[in-house]
Amino acid sequence: ETVLTQSPATLSLSPGERATLSCRASQTVSSYLAWYQQKPGQAPRLLMYDASNRAAGIPARFSGSGSGTDFTLSISSLEPEDSAVYYCQQRSNWPPTFGQGTRLEIK
Amino acid sequence: EVQVLESGGGLVQPGGSLRLSCAASGFTFSSYAMSWVRQAPGKGLEWVSAISGGSGDYTYSAETVKGRFTISRDNSKNTVYLQMTSLRAGDTAVYYCARTPTTVVTYYFDYWGQGALVTVSS
Repeated sequence: ETVLTQSPATLSLSPGERATLSCRASQTVSSYLAWYQQKPGQAPRLLMYDASNRAAGIPARFSGSGSGTDFTLSISSLEPEDSAVYYCQQRSNWPPTFGQGTRLEIK
Repeated sequence: EVQVLESGGGLVQPGGSLRLSCAASGFTFSSYAMSWVRQAPGKGLEWVSAISGGSGDYTYSAETVKGRFTISRDNSKNTVYLQMTSLRAGDTAVYYCARTPTTVVTYYFDYWGQGALVTVSS
């Protein structure tokens, strides 16, 4: 199966800063990569799909890029409510798989 | 407003069975594929099973649950089910029901329920 490796494991930044989260696939997933945000005690929320498309209702400060095996989720001008675990997920190769997550802490 | 609500979780002994339900509202249920995704305590996300929209003719399950878990749907009740048998301690997790924004199974998930906790323990 396709292994997704996310880095860093934890990211600690201040409000207003820019966050850059990475997701690397063990084999190509074309552009079939999604990003989810999960806050404590809540269900995951779809942020981006097919690498660079924002899901409905997601603010423009969230953006995604990449193709093949290397992907990035960027969050410009962090806000306190962005504190969460972020997961990438591929749907190119069966079975669909998730990365292990990056925890984003807002100082 | 799109909503999905899981029920049926609980404590079950190893080797036992449990059926989860997911009631959907706020959209044309039959037009969408549905999936179950689980999360073991303190761990990441794992896709479990998926079913196509329409009559649900196409179902898919992860190798870790194949032969033990069965996904199904009842469009008249706007509900998708996960029948779980031969449960193991490793199946302990919060089970999320999630919608795929297409009729065919395309394995990304735009709306999620709040989850149902399944604990397998003696």
